[in-house]
Amino acid sequence: KQEVTQIPAALSVPEGENLVLNCSFTDSAIYNLQWFRQDPGKGLTSLLLIQSSQREQTSGRLNASLDKSSGRSTLYIAASQPGDSATYLCACSWGYGNKLVFGAGTILRVKS
Amino acid sequence: GAVVSQHPSWVICKSGTSVKIECRSLDFQATTMFWYRQFPKQSLMLMATSNEGSKATYEQGVEKDKFLINHASLTLSTLTVTSAHPEDSSFYICSASGWEKENEQFFGPGTRLTVL
Repeated sequence: KQEVTQIPAALSVPEGENLVLNCSFTDSAIYNLQWFRQDPGKGLTSLLLIQSSQREQTSGRLNASLDKSSGRSTLYIAASQPGDSATYLCACSWGYGNKLVFGAGTILRVKS
Repeated sequence: GAVVSQHPSWVICKSGTSVKIECRSLDFQATTMFWYRQFPKQSLMLMATSNEGSKATYEQGVEKDKFLINHASLTLSTLTVTSAHPEDSSFYICSASGWEKENEQFFGPGTRLTVL
């Protein structure tokens, strides 16, 4: 069964800290992996999409890495800000045009 | 990026009534649309996958006669929750992918359904 797991479930850090969110998946033959942000009661904002042939993607203060052999991805957030507080979701697809399987998410709180 | 809209953004209905939620791709043709459901403090769970012009494929445990999905055009899919009950109260989110974007899904803003 293809599953996605995220740790930690929740994380609280002071403003300015660098932090890492972890995602693992059970089947290494993924097609792509995507990181999303979700604010309370809102929809999803796509942050980064990593294709299976890529090792990392960067956007501003965000960097996502992908290690297919170990079944892991990390989302690195540099110099965290209170506005980064949200739930971060990792999702994997195992085929072209296929459904996404989501992890349970990490609730991030950045304290000012 | 590609834009997907949902309507309504929230709806409150009485138990036993039916509710229709629309999902539209505004600037691309969506060959495939996905419907997800998210209960409070939980992650998104796929309900069904719908390809334009064909019947939707439902995930295990999702009642196709209760959750009617129509994908009659390349820009519109609808989800109808029939005979809604309080346990159907949830956040429903659609996503869409198209010919030129088939390896990425674009998500709508979601619809909050509350059944009294």
